[in-house]
Amino acid sequence: EAQVTQNPRYLITVTGKKLTVTCSQNMNHEYMSWYRQDPGLGLRQIYYSMNVEVTDKGDVPEGYKVSRKEKRNFPLILESPSPNQTSLYFCASSPHRGGSPDQPQHFGDGTRLSIL
Amino acid sequence: AQKITQTQPGMFVQEKEAVTLDCTYDTSDQSYGLFWYKQPSSGEMIFLIYQGSYDEQNATEGRYSLNFQKARKSANLVISASQLGDSAMYFCAMREGHILTGGGNKLTFGTGTQLKVEL
Repeated sequence: EAQVTQNPRYLITVTGKKLTVTCSQNMNHEYMSWYRQDPGLGLRQIYYSMNVEVTDKGDVPEGYKVSRKEKRNFPLILESPSPNQTSLYFCASSPHRGGSPDQPQHFGDGTRLSIL
Repeated sequence: AQKITQTQPGMFVQEKEAVTLDCTYDTSDQSYGLFWYKQPSSGEMIFLIYQGSYDEQNATEGRYSLNFQKARKSANLVISASQLGDSAMYFCAMREGHILTGGGNKLTFGTGTQLKVEL
């Protein structure tokens, strides 16, 4: 089954304790992305990756890191989490077709992070 | 400037009735795509329907149709014969077709419309 898998689904942690949210897709997609969802703001892009070893900032990258060492995996790293990073996070993937806008992005089921 | 505007924070509709969720967008690109996603209370994002900027026909997928008015820059979602299971948050999103940059794959989302279907 084609899917994007995020782990963990839920996490409560404390300020400053490094954490990683994993994301894996089995569709051989080139493009992967992280979004955060906050009430009244919709989803905003954090980072994206065009392919292995190619990553770039989205609209709200502060406080986050990513890496893309393998095509299927795109982990989101919070080196020193703070309470303002409490949010619902989504990983998404799609084929990269030279900028053609017709491919829907496939989303993971989301990760609810609470930073105390 | 906000690129995707959803002006209805919440909507109510009676079961079996049709409902229209509004979405307007702003872009200077000629090539772009418009998407609607459904987010039930369980949180996952479910792709519903897509409309390309060059598509002359309005997109339809089962009970979902997209009322695309390019000159007005609107892409409203129409749900026919509403069901209780349609109660969810609905997001409109746009993907702009920048051929040379990876940002061309980015989805820009509206703030969503919470739909409640009542008996």
